[in-house]
Amino acid sequence: NAGVTQTPKFQVLKTGQSMTLQCAQDMNHEYMSWYRQDPGMGLRLIHYSVGAGITDQGEVPNGYNVSRSTTEDFPLRLLSAAPSQTSVYFCATHQPRGPVIVAFFGQGTRLTVV
Amino acid sequence: AQKITQTQPGMFVQEKEAVTLDCTYDTSDQSYGLFWYKQPSSGEMIFLIYQGSYDEQNATEGRYSLNFQKARKSANLVISASQLGDSAMYFCAMRPDYNTDKLIFGTGTRLQVFP
Repeated sequence: NAGVTQTPKFQVLKTGQSMTLQCAQDMNHEYMSWYRQDPGMGLRLIHYSVGAGITDQGEVPNGYNVSRSTTEDFPLRLLSAAPSQTSVYFCATHQPRGPVIVAFFGQGTRLTVV
Repeated sequence: AQKITQTQPGMFVQEKEAVTLDCTYDTSDQSYGLFWYKQPSSGEMIFLIYQGSYDEQNATEGRYSLNFQKARKSANLVISASQLGDSAMYFCAMRPDYNTDKLIFGTGTRLQVFP
């Protein structure tokens, strides 16, 4: 059982390049989300999805696109990378157990934009 | 505004001692949930403990307990008998209402346990 798998683990981009961060889960969870983690800022929600075909913006969506064609996959696209997007990106799925949300995170993608 | 505040960027504790990590929250909803996650240096996020807004008793999970003070809007994590393996980043998070699966995270507290 792999859980949440993110690829790649590390990436260096030049300003203006585009790329897709991949996220796949095998737990059949409806809810998936992307966060970025920056020093002193904690985890900030970029985009989330409550099921296949449904996505919505989080706190910091500018410069990122998402789509959710299947339950398993939730890729995050950087359209034109900027140095401000240098960060560690986490994909997560949520499993509601009544009021409790147990969040399962991927291992993260460390992105550097030069 | 829905917000989580962790005011301690870093904490130090000696092995076998107890430590309290502070967390305050802000939400206008009556039904909400509070969580603590641990992030070791390897980067993964580990769920530790949950407290619901209607729970009358403080949550406990092994060496972790959540000191829930609703009137003060605080949800502090208490780790008893600290171990070297407890050294990590700790995040407080909130499910701001039961109609959403979203989690709002604080900025984190880095805990270092020394021998």
